[in-house]
Amino acid sequence: AQKITQTQPGMFVQEKEAVTLDCTYDTSDQSYGLFWYKQPSSGEMIFLIYQGSYDEQNATEGRYSLNFQKARKSANLVISASQLGDSAMYFCAMTLPQAGTALIFGKGTTLSVSS
Amino acid sequence: GAVVSQHPSWVICKSGTSVKIECRSLDFQATTMFWYRQFPKQSLMLMATSNEGSKATYEQGVEKDKFLINHASLTLSTLTVTSAHPEDSSFYICSARGSSGRVRGEQYFGPGTRLTVT
Repeated sequence: AQKITQTQPGMFVQEKEAVTLDCTYDTSDQSYGLFWYKQPSSGEMIFLIYQGSYDEQNATEGRYSLNFQKARKSANLVISASQLGDSAMYFCAMTLPQAGTALIFGKGTTLSVSS
Repeated sequence: GAVVSQHPSWVICKSGTSVKIECRSLDFQATTMFWYRQFPKQSLMLMATSNEGSKATYEQGVEKDKFLINHASLTLSTLTVTSAHPEDSSFYICSARGSSGRVRGEQYFGPGTRLTVT
């Protein structure tokens, strides 16, 4: 079974600073996908970034980058140049490539960005 | 990207009544849809996996007779909360996965349904 662990219930950062949100995972499968989602107070799930287990390079999407350390089973999200609009809940998630496999989520981290 | 809709977006019902929530994939076929429940400031917990034309697979601890799931077509899955009670009040989110089997970019979420049972 897959498991996602996010150990930071809340993080605080000032505008324009970078912040790292931690995520570790556990699986015995060799092929898997790791995701980060942002959930603002409206409740919608916003896809941020994806990392495949066989991807050799860390994924980047604009201000988001994923620090993938396979041996440590960690997939930390780095947000550079934080903005007030980044304040939200962030979830790390994992799934397997087999059809019909759901995303399994971590407990989430609430990020608060201040001016 | 692909779009998943949910209806209603919010609903208030009285204790003891049943509520149906619809999840539709608008521009792609979803052989599999997933239903999640989320309590305030908590994570999304997978309730069940819904496969078109077959019975849903429920996660441990989820009452299948209380949360009825029907996936009658490749674009529609419904979740019916039967005999709702205040403890069923929650945010229900569906997601759909395309049928290509690729992991990347094939997970689409609906906007969620906020259920309040009085």
